Amino acid sequence: QQKVQQSPESLIVPEGGMASLNCTSSDRNVDYFWWYRQHSGKSPKMLMSIFSNGEKEEGRFTVHLNKASLHTSLHIRDSQPSDSALYLCAASHYAQGLTFGLGTRVSVFP
Amino acid sequence: GGIITQTPKFLIGQEGQKLTLKCQQNFNHDTMYWYRQDSGKGLRLIYYSITENDLQKGDLSEGYDASREKKSSFSLTVTSAQKNEMAVFLCASSPGLGSAETLYFGSGTRLTVL
Repeated sequence: QQKVQQSPESLIVPEGGMASLNCTSSDRNVDYFWWYRQHSGKSPKMLMSIFSNGEKEEGRFTVHLNKASLHTSLHIRDSQPSDSALYLCAASHYAQGLTFGLGTRVSVFP
Repeated sequence: GGIITQTPKFLIGQEGQKLTLKCQQNFNHDTMYWYRQDSGKGLRLIYYSITENDLQKGDLSEGYDASREKKSSFSLTVTSAQKNEMAVFLCASSPGLGSAETLYFGSGTRLTVL
């Protein structure tokens, strides 16, 4: 069973719309959550990270974290075609590498 | 800034063959990783290394060996390639191994086994 579960598997969003992605860890030792973005044929790049309860906003991207439920979500507002990519959630805790989920593939259509 | 260079970009092998993938980084990072990505899906950790000559197994280490002879380089060996195997192998590095460390990825080696 995946330690990091992401949903949905894929998402189609109209240009200008909102994309909402979910991620939950089953490992109670994690203390950091990450969102990486991978455009087709490219390598993953870190998008945002969060370690405390609440919300963090960077431009059109907002990340939420609920540490009690080990659930994080990523929201993309005013989605653009350039946001079309595979979004990978990852969880980490001290002295171990990141554990990634299977990803959510986002397609933004004009 | 820095860069992670993976060689080769494409690797075609035969069933049962031993294949080696190489990774170099000039970030001067302590920690390096090898991940496998199947069919554009999530990443699974094969091996990581927190310093020169250190090796730690990830969840997917069976069938692989790794080597970290220098701080800047980390190689991965597929000990016996499986027929019809296709995957992208991604090398990454980070300053350390703490929870808060960002990973920087290379562009990958795409493996096809005939």
